[in-house]
Amino acid sequence: GAVVSQHPSRVICKSGTSVKIECRSLDFQATTMFWYRQFPKQSLMLMATSNEGSKATYEQGVEKDKFLINHASLTLSTLTVTSAHPEDSSFYICSGLAARNRETQYFGPGTRLLVL
Amino acid sequence: SQQGEEDPQALSIQEGENATMNCSYKTSINNLQWYRQNSGRGLVHLILIRSNEREKHSGRLRVTLDTSKKSSSLLITASRAADTASYFCATDASHDYKLSFGAGTTVTVRA
Repeated sequence: GAVVSQHPSRVICKSGTSVKIECRSLDFQATTMFWYRQFPKQSLMLMATSNEGSKATYEQGVEKDKFLINHASLTLSTLTVTSAHPEDSSFYICSGLAARNRETQYFGPGTRLLVL
Repeated sequence: SQQGEEDPQALSIQEGENATMNCSYKTSINNLQWYRQNSGRGLVHLILIRSNEREKHSGRLRVTLDTSKKSSSLLITASRAADTASYFCATDASHDYKLSFGAGTTVTVRA
């Protein structure tokens, strides 16, 4: 199957610092990756769509300067939470679309961010 | 934006029983997908049903789709403790493969 990894799996940081989360497709090329945010016991909310070699498109209400997304290669997308605040604490999940099957998203294991 | 509504919110059953959960959505779709999420983990894709399909099976899973009612159901037969998880439906209603997730159903299978 198609495997997606995320690093780190958990991160604790101080308020005001920036945190980078990596999303890698391990055995397929992902021309498109998605970033989601999930609060406890809630559903996934799409934050942005990341296309390799182009700027990310953000969903309404998501600050692009706050959540920087870079999709520099077909196997790597990064999400940087800039100047993190406690309200940014959440579970961040990425997914990738394989060129051979663009109907199915393959999800990473998620990154739990806690901002103190 | 969230398009799917799922019910029930939570379901507790005995091992060996069947579990049924429903998903309703608002707009026309290309396909509907079901995912499983174990606590604190990522999502695992279970099954995809296209808008021109009515029923699909995969192992102990059975999914139905009624586009006239804009609803879908997921049936897990002969449940096991390992089926304990949250189950989400997600609809693909756009041309850019974005998914809109329902609120999820938390299933607990008691041994």
